[in-house]
Order: sequence, then structure tokens, then C-alpha cells
Amino acid sequence: ETGVTQSPTHLIKTRGQQVTLRCSSQSGHNTVSWYQQALGQGPQFIFQYYREEENGRGNFPPRFSGLQFPNYSSELNVNALELDDSALYLCASSLGLAGGEAYEQYFGPGTRLTVT
Amino acid sequence: AQRVTQPEKLLSVFKGAPVELKCNYSYSGSPELFWYVQYSRQRLQLLLRHISRESIKGFTADLNKGETSFHLKKPFAQEEDSAMYYCALSGRYLPRTHNDMRFGAGTRLTVKP
Repeated sequence: ETGVTQSPTHLIKTRGQQVTLRCSSQSGHNTVSWYQQALGQGPQFIFQYYREEENGRGNFPPRFSGLQFPNYSSELNVNALELDDSALYLCASSLGLAGGEAYEQYFGPGTRLTVT
Repeated sequence: AQRVTQPEKLLSVFKGAPVELKCNYSYSGSPELFWYVQYSRQRLQLLLRHISRESIKGFTADLNKGETSFHLKKPFAQEEDSAMYYCALSGRYLPRTHNDMRFGAGTRLTVKP
């Protein structure tokens, strides 16, 4: 069983550019959640994908978008980057939902994004 | 609105001493509460969740709905417990649409020898 992987490990972008971050789910997981973790803060929920459809969204603007593929891997896209987008971006996969109870989320190591 | 508050950013105790990491929450419905831990150079991982009522690595946490708290406790801290601890909340409602997790800002625990 392989764990959650993310790529790249880190990258540097310029304000106004666009970025794509990638996540491979743990084997057998059909749900992916993305989080933004600013320095000194806890992770903040961006959105979740369940079986290729967006299944919930946090308080982030539309320039944050995502995709989930048939193999349940996922991408996070951020357009028109701003300095405040500098953060660690975490991906977490899980089995999804059953009976109203949340399954455990398994986190990837994160992608460190720096916007200059 | 869902909110998780961890009032202590830093907590330092000596090995063998009891430790309590505080977590308070606000949520209008029935929440699920979790503690996640991040050891040095490792990824975030689940430590325990209130519905399982387990004791993991000697840690326990009781959900107190009256005080809206979910404090993490261990009677005798070990040096290997030094890590970043995050309290998290997920809304529990039916039909559930998604299990977005709200995290606190975290508490860095240092256990001194």
C-alpha cells in the first residue's frame, strides 16, 4: 500500500503567475481534500473532491480550482498568484463518507509554494 | 460557524510529568473531534478521534460538550512525544456532503529530559 504523494516538493513563482500542484491518493481512496497551511497556522480547508466532483469548498476565491482524475489523483490550480498564497499546500486522501461519519484522512508531505 | 481554538502555541514539560493540551471548539451541530500530530520531518497523522474512545500512545481525550472542549491528556510525558499537535473538528450531519476538517493553530509540545 503506497501513501499519499505530492509534487513538486517546493517551488517559487512570481505574483500573477499560475501554478499547478499534484497529489496521488493512497491506494483505494476515492476522496481528496486540499488544505493551505500558512506559517504558524493550522491547515485551512480549500476544497474536497469525491469521485471526480467537487464535494465541498472552504472560504477560498474561485482562482483556486481543482480536478480529480479517474485514478483519484488530483490537481490544485491557483491562478493570478498573490504574495499571501505563499504557504504549504497539503493534500489528504480518504475513503470518503459513510453514514455521516468521517473517514480518517491520510496526509501527503505537502508542497511548499513561495510567491515573490 | 466552526472554530477550533488552541490557546497555547508552546507547551514545555519535563519527562514523566503530566501533560494537557487544550482545545476548545464552537460548532452549532454535532461535531467529530480529532487530534492530529506532526513529528519532526514527518507528515501530519491522526493521533485519535473522539468517537473511537481509544488511548493512543498513552494519550486520551474526552469530548466535553458542556464546556465545548476536547483536551488531550497524557499522565506521563515521554521525550518522543515532542511534536506539533493540532486539534481538528469535522461537522457530523446527515446527509453529509463533505467532511471538511477545521484545524486549530496547533500547540508545539516539548518534553525535556
